[in-house]
Amino acid sequence: DAKTTQPNSMESNEEEPVHLPCNHSTISGTDYIHWYRQLPSQGPEYVIHGLTSNVNNRMASLAIAEDRKSSTLILHRATLRDAAVYYCILRDPYNNAGNMLTFGGGTRLMVKT
Amino acid sequence: DTAVSQTPKYLVTQMGNDKSIKCEQNLGHDTMYWYKQDSKKFLKIMFSYNNKELIINETVPNRFSPKSPDKAHLNLHINSLELGDSAVYFCASSQGLAGMLYEQYFGPGTRLTVT
Repeated sequence: DAKTTQPNSMESNEEEPVHLPCNHSTISGTDYIHWYRQLPSQGPEYVIHGLTSNVNNRMASLAIAEDRKSSTLILHRATLRDAAVYYCILRDPYNNAGNMLTFGGGTRLMVKT
Repeated sequence: DTAVSQTPKYLVTQMGNDKSIKCEQNLGHDTMYWYKQDSKKFLKIMFSYNNKELIINETVPNRFSPKSPDKAHLNLHINSLELGDSAVYFCASSQGLAGMLYEQYFGPGTRLTVT
């Protein structure tokens, strides 16, 4: 399975944008890039996903490199409620195991006031 | 309304006991899952269950058995509990069949402590 690499932790100031990087140099042509986050003492929650084009939703934006070997989750204005562990996950829809999320270590985002 | 619920939230029990964790989803989803998060915070898939098809993660001991009385419920039964089973267990659900890329909705977790 293609793997992802993320920094262990990042810090951000409140109300400022945050760029969370993810490297996936062995990504296959059919792998989708998914992001989930886990707030303290809660279950993970879906954030966003994409294949090739950049994606936006109410929570975040996803910027995908042209060669798809890396991507960046963008939180436009970090709030204290965004403090969480963010996971970058590759999912292959043509693989029966693609429905199971394979979590790595993720990036712990700390937001300072 | 809670989309994915689990009971109990906390479970403390002794080694060798048998226990069950219940999960219910009111989203009308076809697929449900169990994940385990250990003390180092790594989340790992245990099972995926869709329309009576069970996909077992080969690293899960056979002391763990998921049981699905209906599409909205997937319970996790654990026999002969061991210290290493202490973890937080998350239930999740998604619409669609295995292999599709629908987002997964997670429950709040059940913290199991084996003494």
